[in-house]
Amino acid sequence: QSVLTQPPSVSGAPGQRVTISCTGTSSNIGAGYYVYWYQQVPGAAPQVVIYGNSIRPSGVPDRFSGSKSGTSASLAITGLQAEDEADYYCQTYDRSLTGWVFGGGTKLTVL
Amino acid sequence: EVQLVESGGGLVKPGGSLRLSCAGSGFIFNSFGMTWVRQAPGKGLEWVATISSGGRNIYYADSLKGRFTISRDNAKNSLFLQMNSLTAEDTAIYYCARGYSAGWPDINFDYWGQGTLVTVSS
Repeated sequence: QSVLTQPPSVSGAPGQRVTISCTGTSSNIGAGYYVYWYQQVPGAAPQVVIYGNSIRPSGVPDRFSGSKSGTSASLAITGLQAEDEADYYCQTYDRSLTGWVFGGGTKLTVL
Repeated sequence: EVQLVESGGGLVKPGGSLRLSCAGSGFIFNSFGMTWVRQAPGKGLEWVATISSGGRNIYYADSLKGRFTISRDNAKNSLFLQMNSLTAEDTAIYYCARGYSAGWPDINFDYWGQGTLVTVSS
């Protein structure tokens, strides 16, 4: 059971918009720590697509956006493309656990 | 170009030990905290341990119960993970990752190695 809760799967057709939620508690997201989002395609290492809640690293398309409110965060992907099909993980720090935590991951399927 | 290359994975019997290494290049190694993250087959990412840039501050996931030890040798741009009393539940791909801090403890794992597979089986 992950400290951060994500839906196991989401799907959308090419061109559509999808969102992936990440629900935490007052010990992690709600404590004000930054949320990060990672994309992992099968057989590859994760790579960051959002840092600092809502900042895109260079090279990440502007179709990706992040937001945070209260004890939750979200990753939105607009204009879905086949190459977006991957697993997505949220991550932050938890002060009760005194360590870093990941969400359970969400599998994005592009229909 | 930032590169992280893990090594040392393999097949080990339950109760055995293994030492993983991660060689960093393309960045000033002693300026960054480093982290191990693992991923069991078909499962999600699990934070294992983090060590600060100078090696003074170390943090472990509670679930490891003192069996793992993270260390680093900045003179050799290397990160290590000593794993003892291994069980089948430790079977996973182990990734090393560089930690970019916007201000402790907000750490972004901005570069990852390709991972090394550890299989614990008799």
